Amino acid sequence: QVQLQESGPGLVKPSQTLSLTCAVSGVSITSGAYYWSWIRQHPGKGLEWIGKIDYRGRTDYNPSLRSRVSISEDTSDNQLSLDLSSVTAADAAVYYCARSVVGGWGALDLWGQGSVVTVSS
Amino acid sequence: DIQMTQSPSSLSASVGDRVTITCRASQTISNYLSWYQQKPGRAPKLLIYAASSLQRGVPSRFSGSGSGTDFTLTIGNLQLEDFATYYCQQSDSDAPAITFGQGTRLDIK
Repeated sequence: QVQLQESGPGLVKPSQTLSLTCAVSGVSITSGAYYWSWIRQHPGKGLEWIGKIDYRGRTDYNPSLRSRVSISEDTSDNQLSLDLSSVTAADAAVYYCARSVVGGWGALDLWGQGSVVTVSS
Repeated sequence: DIQMTQSPSSLSASVGDRVTITCRASQTISNYLSWYQQKPGRAPKLLIYAASSLQRGVPSRFSGSGSGTDFTLTIGNLQLEDFATYYCQQSDSDAPAITFGQGTRLDIK
């Protein structure tokens, strides 16, 4: 079955770039049938959409993060990447990758288990 | 940006109760509205998509309704496993950004 698995350093220093990957198994990220999103959740808070990428590599970002975020795809390894630059303590959160079906009303039907990120020197 | 206002922010109910959570969009989003359930330490789980369509495998006591700007999630005959936090989410085709409501925490009374 299709699975998403986030990974990355659990600890990032302030002002550095946070880099996470999302390994996708069971379906090709270039199949054309899906969008792939990153979402984060600050401790004890709600969900914040970061951005998404489609099978052609086209991206959309949350306007509040657009200047610092980049989402890309590695088709050879069938994985997605998230880079968030100039991090501060406010970027400490659980980061999720998730899938939505093209033409599926934007519903995120499959999620990874999440990757905890702490920002500290 | 489209803002989603969810209410109430929290509510208490008993097993067997029927509860309703509402979500209002700052502009019309047709039926591009989804509902999620999240339990502590877990990723969100899709319950409802297209405002009223039940995701495969989700119990029929969950139902959604609405269109345009006003939406509701109803849970009938609450079960112990339903006590969780619920989020609405919009994804209008004309506005590529996705936004979530602030969440509703459902506790046992």
